[in-house]
Amino acid sequence: DTEVTQTPKHLVMGMTNKKSLKCEQHMGHRAMYWYKQKAKKPPELMFVYSYEKLSINESVPSRFSPECPNSSLLNLHLHALQPEDSALYLCASSQMVPTAYSTDTQYFGPGTRLTVL
Amino acid sequence: AQSVTQLGSHVSVSEGALVLLRCNYSSSVPPYLFWYVQYPNQGLQLLLKYTSAATLVKGINGFEAEFKKSETSFHLTKPSAHMSDAAEYFCAVRNIGNEKLTFGTGTRLTIIP
Repeated sequence: DTEVTQTPKHLVMGMTNKKSLKCEQHMGHRAMYWYKQKAKKPPELMFVYSYEKLSINESVPSRFSPECPNSSLLNLHLHALQPEDSALYLCASSQMVPTAYSTDTQYFGPGTRLTVL
Repeated sequence: AQSVTQLGSHVSVSEGALVLLRCNYSSSVPPYLFWYVQYPNQGLQLLLKYTSAATLVKGINGFEAEFKKSETSFHLTKPSAHMSDAAEYFCAVRNIGNEKLTFGTGTRLTIIP
């Protein structure tokens, strides 16, 4: 089973709203990722959690706040977003095997389509 | 920094024809290489990956890719295109010991009936 689930599938929010995106995996993976994808562009890495600790923050604005409550769950809290933040938000997970000889393949969820009005 | 180049942002082939999507990487050390497919309004699905175990890698849906170190390439092929292959294809690279996955700009594959 290589399934990563994301909720909601679609989200429309105003610039003053607070909302959260959720991601879940039950593959025992210890690394989880948030990506942002604009139309006709490749995914751009936002955050990486390794063993429930934030290991990479790609200089993402503070209006995006990630949270990893446990090894299976990853949240992205949204507050005071701008219209240009409208995009497909993808979650991924990987095994994070502690060896240099693993491909550590990332498996992606279906994404949340976010529209900021 | 590690990078990957996909030549051709848009490729069109006739149904039943050969599919060839190009990917070149920049690294002196062979990295880990991946091909992902993205259907409209969906997430990314892993097609195949290069693990250094074999230079010719077979993936899902009849796709395969060949790693050529001398050409720093990892092109994706399928002998006979099907209408259901129409999608966006991303080549990605990860350095050994690095958590980050770097994507190419993507190639949109269109299948002509």
